Amino acid sequence: TQLLEQSPQFLSIQEGENLTVYCNSSSVFSSLQWYRQEPGEGPVLLVTVVTGGEVKKLKRLTFQFGDARKDSSLHITAAQPGDTGLYLCAGAYLRGGSEKLVFGKGMKLTVNP
Amino acid sequence: EAQVTQNPRYLITVTGKKLTVTCSQNMNHEYMSWYRQDPGLGLRQIYYSMNVEVTDKGDVPEGYKVSRKEKRNFPLILESPSPNQTSLYFCASSVHVWVNQPQHFGDGTRLSIL
Repeated sequence: TQLLEQSPQFLSIQEGENLTVYCNSSSVFSSLQWYRQEPGEGPVLLVTVVTGGEVKKLKRLTFQFGDARKDSSLHITAAQPGDTGLYLCAGAYLRGGSEKLVFGKGMKLTVNP
Repeated sequence: EAQVTQNPRYLITVTGKKLTVTCSQNMNHEYMSWYRQDPGLGLRQIYYSMNVEVTDKGDVPEGYKVSRKEKRNFPLILESPSPNQTSLYFCASSVHVWVNQPQHFGDGTRLSIL
């Protein structure tokens, strides 16, 4: 199984601060997805990045896929309390003719007002 | 409304008593899967199904069974539950993994095996 390491695992910041969460692997992925999960709910997709070097922006969130398609980052500008949640990255790869999806362990973000 | 529905949402039971967690999706998705989420271990795939009657093991299949007799339903069966299967379980569906479509998750089933 290919592994995805997320860092940091926990982050508590004040409203208005910026932050970056990283998702790293020694393996190549065909695509990478970022999800956000709130307590009592399932993860919800934020973005999918497919091309090495790709950058996508979603309001205050900026996602980047590494040139070698082994890593990704999520940068949040001017965090707000509503950004609080668990952020998960998930990488897709081929194994035995099937495309698999592996999740990182997540980063739990708390944004204090 | 497009959704993945899991039942029950919460269950407390005892070791060895067979149980089934149901999962149903209304989006006509081909791909369905089950995950368990544990503190410090993240989301791990138990089983997946790429189409009706086609299922395969994920990363942690021991102690679980699944079936896919119709496209919309993908039940998870614990024939003889044990305490180490206490966890938060999620069902997910998507068009296909390889077309980079999002996984749609249910709201989870919190299972406690005493």
